[in-house]
Amino acid sequence: NAGVMQNPRHLVRRRGQEARLRCSPMKGHSHVYWYRQLPEEGLKFMVYLQKENIIDESGMPKERFSAEFPKEGPSILRIQQVVRGDSAAYFCASSPVLHEPHYEQYFGPGTRLTVT
Amino acid sequence: GEDVEQSLFLSVREGDSSVINCTYTDSSSTYLYWYKQEPGAGLQLLTYIFSNMDMKQDQRLTVLLNKKDKHLSLRIADTQTGDSAIYFCAESITGYSTLTFGKGTMLLVSP
Repeated sequence: NAGVMQNPRHLVRRRGQEARLRCSPMKGHSHVYWYRQLPEEGLKFMVYLQKENIIDESGMPKERFSAEFPKEGPSILRIQQVVRGDSAAYFCASSPVLHEPHYEQYFGPGTRLTVT
Repeated sequence: GEDVEQSLFLSVREGDSSVINCTYTDSSSTYLYWYKQEPGAGLQLLTYIFSNMDMKQDQRLTVLLNKKDKHLSLRIADTQTGDSAIYFCAESITGYSTLTFGKGTMLLVSP
């Protein structure tokens, strides 16, 4: 059973370009979370999605950022018109369908975005 | 201020015990976690504790929770060089809600 997969692992974009980050959850997992880790910082929650639904986007910047988790295919985190401050590691985590009081979030290896 | 705070750095010798501390502010935190991040890698869940527990032991790892003081600690017995990594404390309100992380403690184990 493959773990959470993210691609690309490293992404370089010039200011003003768009960045698309992909996350394939573990097999059988229908919940996806995106976190951002700025240099020398902890992970900050961005958005929580289920298939075709955004459950909580309270951590997502209001402009330029969007996320989706379609019925088929990976979850996508999209950053439009990137700026230098967007340079960070973006981690995706997934968890299975919720029937228990606790479920572990399994993290992917992250995508390291560098904006030049 | 930060919801979850940790000391930033800890250095120990191989074979010693390591204790990494964490404080949190949200009294409604239900689950508290310790994650390990090795260089260039994602986060690996080491252990978690439910808020109605005081202690949890798992092989070389011991988690202590003082709910009154909102203090969590991770003790690693017989620390090895392979334990060198960044350790993140995290909390959630429910078992499936989003996680709030501390900034991480870098553990350096010297031979």
